[in-house]
Amino acid sequence: DIQMTQSPSTLSASVGDRVTITCRASQSISSWLAWYQQKPGKAPKLLIYKASNLESGVPSRFSGSGSGTEFTLTISSLQPDDFATYYCQQYNGYPWTFGQGTKVEIK
Amino acid sequence: QVQLVESGGGVVQPGRSLRLSCAASGFTFSSHGMHWVRQAPGKGLEWVAVISYDGNDKYYADSVKGRFTISRDNSKNTLYLQMNSLRVEDTAVYYCAKDGVSYCSGGRCYHFDYWGQGTLVTVSS
Repeated sequence: DIQMTQSPSTLSASVGDRVTITCRASQSISSWLAWYQQKPGKAPKLLIYKASNLESGVPSRFSGSGSGTEFTLTISSLQPDDFATYYCQQYNGYPWTFGQGTKVEIK
Repeated sequence: QVQLVESGGGVVQPGRSLRLSCAASGFTFSSHGMHWVRQAPGKGLEWVAVISYDGNDKYYADSVKGRFTISRDNSKNTLYLQMNSLRVEDTAVYYCAKDGVSYCSGGRCYHFDYWGQGTLVTVSS
């Protein structure tokens, strides 16, 4: 199975900060990577698919980059609504696997 | 708009069975693969199973293989997860999720563009 490792596990930041979350795959997954945002008690929400494609309706302050084994999710200017947990997920093939999550907290 | 509504969760003893349902609307259900994903309390996301748009291909996580069965009824726009021989470690919120690309199959599906609100399954004696 492909292992997905996110860093950091927790991130403390302020409104307006630029935030970067990294996701590493244990083997190449090309660009088959998605990013999700999850708030407490809610279902995950798709932000980015195929590494860098912004899902419809997602604010443009979110962006994704990378290919192969290393990927990043960037929030250009953190907003109050962005405090949440973020997960990467590979879909290079069965079984689909997620990173352990990165919790973005208020500093 | 796309809606996915899970039901069927509850408290069940170890070794017993439970069937979850996911009612879909707002898209052509019969054109999309569907997934189940779970999240244990305070933990991360774990993919559980996928079924192709036509129901012919099914794949499972090793942790549930042989115990869980995914199925679908395209005439009712409904996805199911039959869970047998439940274990304490199966306790989780179970989400159904729609695959983001039409007609995925053969274990080659994609990201999850819509999720249900989840249903809690608690396995406890």
